[in-house]
Amino acid sequence: EAGVAQSPRYKIIEKRQSVAFWCNPISGHATLYWYQQILGQGPKLLIQFQNNGVVDDSQLPKDRFSAERLKGVDSTLKIQPAKLEDSAVYLCASSLPMLRETFFGPGTRLTVL
Amino acid sequence: GESVGLHLPTLSVQEGDNSIINCAYSNSASDYFIWYKQESGKGPQFIIDIRSNMDKRQGQRVTVLLNKTVKHLSLQIAATQPGDSAVYFCAENSGGSNYKLTFGKGTLLTVNP
Repeated sequence: EAGVAQSPRYKIIEKRQSVAFWCNPISGHATLYWYQQILGQGPKLLIQFQNNGVVDDSQLPKDRFSAERLKGVDSTLKIQPAKLEDSAVYLCASSLPMLRETFFGPGTRLTVL
Repeated sequence: GESVGLHLPTLSVQEGDNSIINCAYSNSASDYFIWYKQESGKGPQFIIDIRSNMDKRQGQRVTVLLNKTVKHLSLQIAATQPGDSAVYFCAENSGGSNYKLTFGKGTLLTVNP
């Protein structure tokens, strides 16, 4: 079974630039999550989708972050404009509805200079 | 949320010893808990889970103990191997049926051959 795919794996940008990350969940997984993991900390949930609808985006900084999941499959997370404190690993994860095991992708490491 | 620095709690053990990693969780209403293993450059990987109506669950070489009275979770790894070296996170489901995971502080486990 293929895992959660993410791209790019690494990205370096300057502050105030824009960046986008892409995620392809495991086939058939209706639930998709984006997490932010700052160095030395546990992942923090940014947004949760059920199919193409948002379930929880309470911790998403909506003034600069946006996410979409068109057609309930792939998802993109965008940051515009980026700040220095956005430097982190952005993890995408997916799961089947009502099933508890969540599978994580390898993450995208973002460095904002 | 709480803030942790760059310095994770660490545990160093000899190969073949048993390891115990501890975690304090925050929400007394959480009904489900998971331990994840995260190796460098990878996303978190599911190890074992436990529901709040249990106090112990065993897997292959791993055991999770839950003490709801003091909101404490532990992961025991038997006969620790060099391949067990990683950061270990506990996570609690704080979203009810939406399965929203809140991660705790990680612990860096180093296994010396």
